[in-house]
Amino acid sequence: DQQVKQNSPSLSVQEGRISILNCDYTNSMFDYFLWYKKYPAEGPTFLISISSIKDKNEDGRFTVFLNKSAKHLSLHIVPSQPGDSAVYFCAATSNSGYALNFGKGTSLLVTP
Amino acid sequence: DAGVIQSPRHEVTEMGQEVTLRCKPISGHDYLFWYRQTMMRGLELLIYFNNNVPIDDSGMPEDRFSAKMPNASFSTLKIQPSEPRDSAVYFCASSIIRGDEQFFGPGTRLTVL
Repeated sequence: DQQVKQNSPSLSVQEGRISILNCDYTNSMFDYFLWYKKYPAEGPTFLISISSIKDKNEDGRFTVFLNKSAKHLSLHIVPSQPGDSAVYFCAATSNSGYALNFGKGTSLLVTP
Repeated sequence: DAGVIQSPRHEVTEMGQEVTLRCKPISGHDYLFWYRQTMMRGLELLIYFNNNVPIDDSGMPEDRFSAKMPNASFSTLKIQPSEPRDSAVYFCASSIIRGDEQFFGPGTRLTVL
C-alpha cells in the first residue's frame, strides 16, 4: 500500500516561474521528509529535507513546506530553470523504525 | 569518494537465467538498501542491511530474490530464475543513519526476455 503519494505524474512550468510539487502521506508516524531529484540514467540525489518539528525549510531556490495536520508537503522551486527538469521523488521516514518510503515521482519539465 | 558503485549498468538476459547485481556502498556507511523502480510501482524498497546484517526483507517479491552482504564494502542481489516481470531498474543506496539522506548508485537496468 502506497504510504507516500505524488498524485501528479507530470508538471510543465515556464522558465522563471514557480514550480510547486505536491506530496501526501498516510502514516502519522512519519516525522522526517525528503525530496530527491532524478535525472535520466542516474540514481536519485538528495535535494532537501524537513523534520516534523518545522513547517518550512529553505535552501536557495528550493523550499519545502510541511502541513502535518493535512499530512501534506510541497516543494517550491523559485525561479524554475531548465536544468531543474527531472523527476522529483518525495520520501518519508521515522526514527521509530521505518526506512524511506518513496512516492512514485513527479516529472517536471521547465520550458525556456 | 567515488560514491555508490553498481555493476553492471545494463543486463539483458533470458527468462530462467540467474542474474546477479552488485553494489559497493560508500565507505563508512552502515546502511545499505536495494530498491527496484518500475513504472507501475515507482521506487520500492526490497531489502536493507545494517552493518552487513539483513534487517528488513519484507519488500523482496518472492523466493527467487535473495540478497547478501558478505562484508561492509560489497553486496549482491540475485534473481534465480529470472522472469520478464523482473525487468526494472535496480538501485543500491547507502547511508550513515537509517532514516537519513541516502546516496544512490546509478542503477542497473535489467531486461529479462
